Amino acid sequence: GENVEQHPSTLSVQEGDSAVIKCTYSDSASNYFPWYKQELGKRPQLIIDIRSNVGEKKDQRIAVTLNKTAKHFSLHITETQPEDSAVYFCAATSSGAQKLVFGQGTRLTINP
Amino acid sequence: DADVTQTPRNRITKTGKRIMLECSQTKGHDRMYWYRQDPGLGLRLIYYSFDVKDINKGEISDGYSVSRQAQAKFSLSLESAIPNQTALYFCATSEIGTGSRINEQFFGPGTRLTVL
Repeated sequence: GENVEQHPSTLSVQEGDSAVIKCTYSDSASNYFPWYKQELGKRPQLIIDIRSNVGEKKDQRIAVTLNKTAKHFSLHITETQPEDSAVYFCAATSSGAQKLVFGQGTRLTINP
Repeated sequence: DADVTQTPRNRITKTGKRIMLECSQTKGHDRMYWYRQDPGLGLRLIYYSFDVKDINKGEISDGYSVSRQAQAKFSLSLESAIPNQTALYFCATSEIGTGSRINEQFFGPGTRLTVL
């Protein structure tokens, strides 16, 4: 089945700098790659997603890139702000089924 | 606003007790999921259901069972709770995607379960 690995597990950056979180997946048939943000004590919420027919997608300060050949995708956050501090999860679809496999999560801390 | 709700929000129980966690949604979605969250392990799928007559095991279904009572209700049961089932449990819903497309999952607020 699908296996998703996410790195790093923790990331600390200065406010205003960029943050990058990377995920690799094992199933070449995976075709949907969402990113979820979970603030402390809150539920996970989708912040951006990308499908396999697209290499990059951007939404204001957030972007996701996908390399299908290498089977990895990344979340890029530019001009980080304190409210970006949260746990971020990547996910990928498992082959032949309408379900997601999540990465282990990255705790991002933005230092003022 | 349409939402996903979970009850209870917190529960402390003892080893061997039967526990039911409930999930309700007003989003009108057909698909419902139960996940477990543990530190450093991300979100792991326990069970999922694509309609009232469809129940599927996820990657960690042992020790759990589910019931889809209606389109809007999906319950998770621990028949005999054990301490390593202490975790944060999330219910999620999603719309049916066209063809093989999977759509955004909307999560409930979570239930924190402690088994002593």
